[in-house]
Amino acid sequence: NAGVTQTPKFRILKIGQSMTLQCAQDMNHNYMYWYRQDPGMGLKLIYYSVGAGITDKGEVPNGYNVSRSTTEDFPLRLELAAPSQTSVYFCASSYSGRELFFGEGSRLTVL
Amino acid sequence: DQQVKQNSPSLSVQEGRISILNCDYTNSMFDYFLWYKKYPAEGPTFLISISSIKDKNEDGRFTVFLNKSAKHLSLHIVPSQPGDSAVYFCAASPSGGYQKVTFGTGTKLQVIP
Repeated sequence: NAGVTQTPKFRILKIGQSMTLQCAQDMNHNYMYWYRQDPGMGLKLIYYSVGAGITDKGEVPNGYNVSRSTTEDFPLRLELAAPSQTSVYFCASSYSGRELFFGEGSRLTVL
Repeated sequence: DQQVKQNSPSLSVQEGRISILNCDYTNSMFDYFLWYKKYPAEGPTFLISISSIKDKNEDGRFTVFLNKSAKHLSLHIVPSQPGDSAVYFCAASPSGGYQKVTFGTGTKLQVIP
C-alpha cells in the first residue's frame, strides 16, 4: 500500500536550473496539494488541485507551476531555481479535503 | 499573516505525565481543526480532528479541546510516552470552498523517559 509517493527524496540544483518534483497517489483521492516547509516555519501551501484538470494557487505559488492530467499524478515544476526555493517539499492527497495524507518529502537545495 | 499560531516552539514532559499543546487561530471561517504529528525525515501524519460543532474529541490517549469563543484549541496526551516525541502541527480549514488546510508552525514535543 504505497499511499503518496514523492520523487526524488533529495536534489541539489544550481541557480537558474529547472526541475520537476513528482508526486503520485494510489488512493483515488481527488484532492492533491503541494506544501513547502522552511526551518522553524509551518507548512505553506504552494498549489492544490480538486481533480484532474483543475489546479489553483495557494499561499506561495510564485516560481512554481503544476499540472494535473490524471487523478494519480500531481507534479510540481520549478522554473529558474532560486536560493529562496531551498526547502522541504511535501505532496499530500485527501478524499475529503480535510484529513491529508502526506508523502515523505523531497529535500531541495539551490546553490 | 499567520492565521494559525502555535506560540510554543518546544515542550518537554516527563514520561507518564500529561502533554498539553496549544494552538490559536484568527480566521472566523475555520470550522474544522486537525492535529498532525511529524517525525524527522517523514511526512506529517494525521492524528486527530474536531469539528466546530463539538468542543471535545477523544481518541485513546489523545484528546482535542476546542474553545470557539477564544479561538483556541489544545491537544492533550495522557499518559505521554517517549514515542510521542515529535513535532505536532495544528491545522484548520474553512467551511465551504475547497477546504484549504492552513498549518501552524509546529511544537516540538520531547517526552523524557
